[in-house]
Amino acid sequence: EIVMTQSPATLSVSPGERATLSCRASQSVSNTLAWYQQKPGQAPRLLIHGASTRATGIPARFSGSGSGTEFTLTISSLQSEDLAVYSCQHYYMWPPTFGQGTKVEI
Amino acid sequence: EVQLLESGGGLVQPGGSLRLSCAASGFTFGNYAMSWVRQAPGMGLEWISSISVGGGPTFYADSVKGRFTISRDDSRNTLFLEMINLRGDDAAIYYCAKALTNQFRGLLDSWGQGTLVTVSS
Repeated sequence: EIVMTQSPATLSVSPGERATLSCRASQSVSNTLAWYQQKPGQAPRLLIHGASTRATGIPARFSGSGSGTEFTLTISSLQSEDLAVYSCQHYYMWPPTFGQGTKVEI
Repeated sequence: EVQLLESGGGLVQPGGSLRLSCAASGFTFGNYAMSWVRQAPGMGLEWISSISVGGGPTFYADSVKGRFTISRDDSRNTLFLEMINLRGDDAAIYYCAKALTNQFRGLLDSWGQGTLVTVSS
C-alpha cells in the first residue's frame, strides 16, 4: 500500500498569513491526490482533487499543487474559520490511503 | 443537496457484531460508488471499504477483510456495513461517503456525520 506522509504535524499561523502544508507519497500517484478539511466535531470536507482542482464551493484562497510524490496545499490568507485538520489522500489504486493530517492552529 | 445519514453504531463487546446503515438523499444513489471510512479517537482517517455501482466490485482494507461486508440497496437508497468479530481497534467513528466520479471510486466528495462504534466488555 502507498504510505502518505504529511508535514508538519501542527502548523501555527496568524490570520492573514499564508499556510503551506506538505504531503508526500511513498510512490508516484500521478495527480490522483485529494485534500480534505476536517473541523472539530465535523465530518471531512473535500477541498481539492486532481492535486489542484478546487471542489465545488471551495474558496479561492485554497490551492493545491504537485504531482508524482510531492504535493502542497496552500491557504493564501488564513481565516479564523480555517482552523482544522487537513488530510491528504491518494486514490491512485486500492487501498486509497490517507495521511495522518496536519492541524492548523490560528 | 446531498445528505448521508449513518446509523447503527453503539456499544458492542469484543467478538460481537453490528450492522451500520447509511441513508442517502439528494442525488441518484444508484449511479455512484460508495465507501466507508473510519476514524479512531484522536487518529487520522482510515478507508475501509468501497462498493461500485450496481453492487459490482467491492474493496476492503486488509484490517477488515473477512470480517466486514459492504452492500447496498439501491431501491432504498441505503448503504450497509456488516461487521462481525469486532475488536478493540475497530472502535471509531464510521463515516459513509459518496464518490465524486465512478472513474475514481476512492475520491470522496460528500460525507455523512458519522456513527460511533465502541468495542468494550
